[in-house]
Amino acid sequence: EIVMTQSPATLSVSPGERASVACRASQSVGSNLAWYQQKPGQAPRLLIYGASTRATGIPARFSGSGSGTEFTLTISSLQSEDFAVYFCQQYISWLTFGGGTKVEIK
Amino acid sequence: QVQLQESGPGLVQPSETLSLTCTVSTSSISSGYYWAWIRQPPGQGLEWIGSVFHNGGTYYNPSLKSRVTISVDTSKDQFSLKLSSVTVADTAVYFCARQIFGTTLFYFDYWGQGTLVTVSS
Repeated sequence: EIVMTQSPATLSVSPGERASVACRASQSVGSNLAWYQQKPGQAPRLLIYGASTRATGIPARFSGSGSGTEFTLTISSLQSEDFAVYFCQQYISWLTFGGGTKVEIK
Repeated sequence: QVQLQESGPGLVQPSETLSLTCTVSTSSISSGYYWAWIRQPPGQGLEWIGSVFHNGGTYYNPSLKSRVTISVDTSKDQFSLKLSSVTVADTAVYFCARQIFGTTLFYFDYWGQGTLVTVSS
C-alpha cells in the first residue's frame, strides 16, 4: 500500500497570505495525484487532479505542483472560504489518501 | 451537476451487516463512470472502500475485501454497499461518489453529502 503523508497537520495563515500544503508518497505515484478541500459537515470537493490540473470551477488561486513522491498544493492568496481541511489522494496503485492538513485562520 | 444521496440505517449492531444505498440523479449510472464508497471515521482521514461499474464489475480495498460487497441497480440508478461483521471501528461517515477512471481507477469528481453510521449495541 502506498502511504501518503501530509505536512503540516495544521497551518495557521492570515487572510490574503499564501499557503502551501505538502504531500509525500512512500513510493513514486508519477502525476497520479488529486487534491480535495473539505469543510466541516460537508463532502470533499475535488480541486486538482493529475497533480496540477484544476478541476472545473476551481479558482486560479489554487495550484498544484510536483511529481513522483513530492507534491504541493498552493493557495496564492487565502480567502475566507478557503479555511478548511485539504487531502491528497494517489491513484496509481489502488487508492489512498493523506491524513489531511487543516488550514486555519491565524 | 451530478447529485448523489446516501440512505440507510444510522445505527448498526456489532457483528451485523451495514447496508447503504446511493441514489444518482441528473445523470445515469450507466454513463460510463465508476461509482464508489469512501468512509471517514469521526475526526479522521478518508478511506476508499470500493468501486463498481454499471456492468457490475468491482474493485475493493484489499484491507476490507473479505467483508465488502458493492452492487449496482441500473434500473433505479442506484448502487449499494454491504459491509459484514461490523465493529465499533466501522463507525464513520460513509460517502458515495462518482469516480473517473482510465487504465486504472482515478479520482472522485462528485460526492454525496455523507451519512453517519454508528456501530453500537
